[in-house]
Amino acid sequence: DIVMTQSPFSLAVSEGEMVTINCKSSQSLLSSGNQKNYLAWYQQKPGQSPKLLIYYASTRQSGVPDRFIGSGSGTDFTLTISDVQAEDLADYYCLQHYSSPYTFGAGTKLELK
Amino acid sequence: AVQLVESGGGLVQPKESLKISCAASGFTFSNAAMYWVRQAPGKGLEWVARIRTKPNNYATYYADSVKGRFTISRDDSKSMVYLQMDNLKTEDTAMYYCTASTGRGVMDAWGQGASVTVSS
Repeated sequence: DIVMTQSPFSLAVSEGEMVTINCKSSQSLLSSGNQKNYLAWYQQKPGQSPKLLIYYASTRQSGVPDRFIGSGSGTDFTLTISDVQAEDLADYYCLQHYSSPYTFGAGTKLELK
Repeated sequence: AVQLVESGGGLVQPKESLKISCAASGFTFSNAAMYWVRQAPGKGLEWVARIRTKPNNYATYYADSVKGRFTISRDDSKSMVYLQMDNLKTEDTAMYYCTASTGRGVMDAWGQGASVTVSS
């Protein structure tokens, strides 16, 4: 099974700051067939279901603000949130969907400083 | 609009069985891979199971933690997906989310969840 190592566990930020969340997979998520990385990012606010933010490592889901940026390839991936807003305070998870069983990272809690 | 509505959650004792359901609407269900993801109280997300579409022979996949105890199935005629959970353990206590891949190649639609508590 592919292991996803996500860091940091939590992050305290002020509005307007930029934050980065990292995710490392135990094997490459890059498909040689279509050159896509099978890595997604989800946001979960308290009491809500998760919401897809980014798929194929860097493609923003429709309606997601452009301050959310996904990057990386192979085994190392990053979610960057520029100009953090109060509404961005949530838990963030990476997910590999390269091979079953799919696996999530442990999550990153974004809190207000 | 895409909608996933789970039902059938509840309180059961260890070693008992429970079947939860998910009603889908707002997308072409027969073309969508379907999944279950769970979240134990205060914990992170755990992928549980996946079922592919008819052209992919309704292939199923499971997390190691539930393999042999849980069974995912679907009824395309009713736009429903199910999770049969047998020999339940206390560590299966969680919110169970039904999710779908409606066109992004990944789980892009989520239900509100069904709560399952396993306790004596």
